[in-house]
Amino acid sequence: NAGVTQTPKFRILKIGQSMTLQCTQDMNHNYMYWYRQDPGMGLKLIYYSVGAGITDKGEVPNGYNVSRSTTEDFPLRLELAAPSQTSVYFCASIPGGGYEQYFGPGTRLTVT
Amino acid sequence: KNEVEQSPQNLTAQEGEFITINCSYSVGISALHWLQQHPGGGIVSLFMLSSGKKKHGRLIATINIQEKHSSLHITASHPRDSAVYICAAGGGSQGNLIFGKGTKLSVKP
Repeated sequence: NAGVTQTPKFRILKIGQSMTLQCTQDMNHNYMYWYRQDPGMGLKLIYYSVGAGITDKGEVPNGYNVSRSTTEDFPLRLELAAPSQTSVYFCASIPGGGYEQYFGPGTRLTVT
Repeated sequence: KNEVEQSPQNLTAQEGEFITINCSYSVGISALHWLQQHPGGGIVSLFMLSSGKKKHGRLIATINIQEKHSSLHITASHPRDSAVYICAAGGGSQGNLIFGKGTKLSVKP
């Protein structure tokens, strides 16, 4: 199994541009999460999904959107990039509640 | 006050030393997680525990539910243990976690 994969690894965006961060897992996990990690801060939950067709907001959802049309994929969309969205983004998954999380390698995004 | 607090923020040790990282939380939890973030950025889960103690190799994690406190111990530390160690409090059926800011450990040879 490849586990949780994320693309791209790095990206530089101009203010106002849009992009989609891709996340795919091949472990048939129901639950998936998007986090952002800012320097000196703990990981913050952006959005999560407990199954295909179901998504919910986390702690810091503003400026982002997600969809979950399949069990495997959980893309994160930035519509109008802002400098405040400069961060490292991690996707994670678990089989269900009460399990250890499997993390992707992260996407480092810079908005200038 | 953050809901999950870790101490120390930074820790430098000599190879072979016994290391302790502490985590206190103020929320109700179903499990406490310890994670390791490598210098390259990848994050792996080390432990998930809801009571008592767990051990993997040189790593030991303990939790005291009444005191809302957990510790991660590393015995016979090695330079390859250099990483950021993150504590996270988990609650609820959706598996959501609240993360501490991490402890940066550097082990010198």
